[in-house]
Amino acid sequence: DAGITQSPRHKVTETGTPVTLRCHQTENHRYMYWYRQDPGHGLRLIHYSYGVKDTDKGEVSDGYSVSRSKTEDFLLTLESATSSQTSVYFCAIRGTYEQYFGPGTRLTVT
Amino acid sequence: GENVEQHPSTLSVQEGDSAVIKCTYSDSASNYFPWYKQELGKRPQLIIDIRSNVGEKKDQRIAVTLNKTAKHFSLHITETQPEDSAVYFCAARHFGNEKLTFGTGTRLTIIP
Repeated sequence: DAGITQSPRHKVTETGTPVTLRCHQTENHRYMYWYRQDPGHGLRLIHYSYGVKDTDKGEVSDGYSVSRSKTEDFLLTLESATSSQTSVYFCAIRGTYEQYFGPGTRLTVT
Repeated sequence: GENVEQHPSTLSVQEGDSAVIKCTYSDSASNYFPWYKQELGKRPQLIIDIRSNVGEKKDQRIAVTLNKTAKHFSLHITETQPEDSAVYFCAARHFGNEKLTFGTGTRLTIIP
């Protein structure tokens, strides 16, 4: 599946705790993306990266930060998790045209 | 920015019949249009895409058509099977833009 993995795959955390999700690719693609998916909202872009240390905001970036220190890794951090951040998070990578998604992380904030 | 509208939001089709999902886009500069299939609990999977230099592309039972003048594109699934049941997303992007814009999805149910 396009050499993209996410960790953890499932996480339950408490409100107010920091959470970091990891996306790892073996394809050496320049572009990486973080989306969240919630019922009734489809796929919403949180942040994306167009190279090492080059990132930009998506449409729902509030409460999230990202980092990319290596081509293969793109980290998404929830500094202080809230219940509204309970969601399924998908990472994606993009080559010239096609964009491929990772397996997803189901995050529950209690 | 780009806006992609997708219709219908739900679609039920008898097994063996055809299904058509339609999307319209707003940015006339968009020139790449992928379709994703997402089964329950799984990741979105790219099933077919089309670039603006062609009007139609087929891959076995699925096809995508593009009308640049009207700014709409459609997914056609023929001889539907139970395994075609899923949520389908369309998307659009132009090559100067790093981001795909997604439609809101169509839940397709194949009735045996």
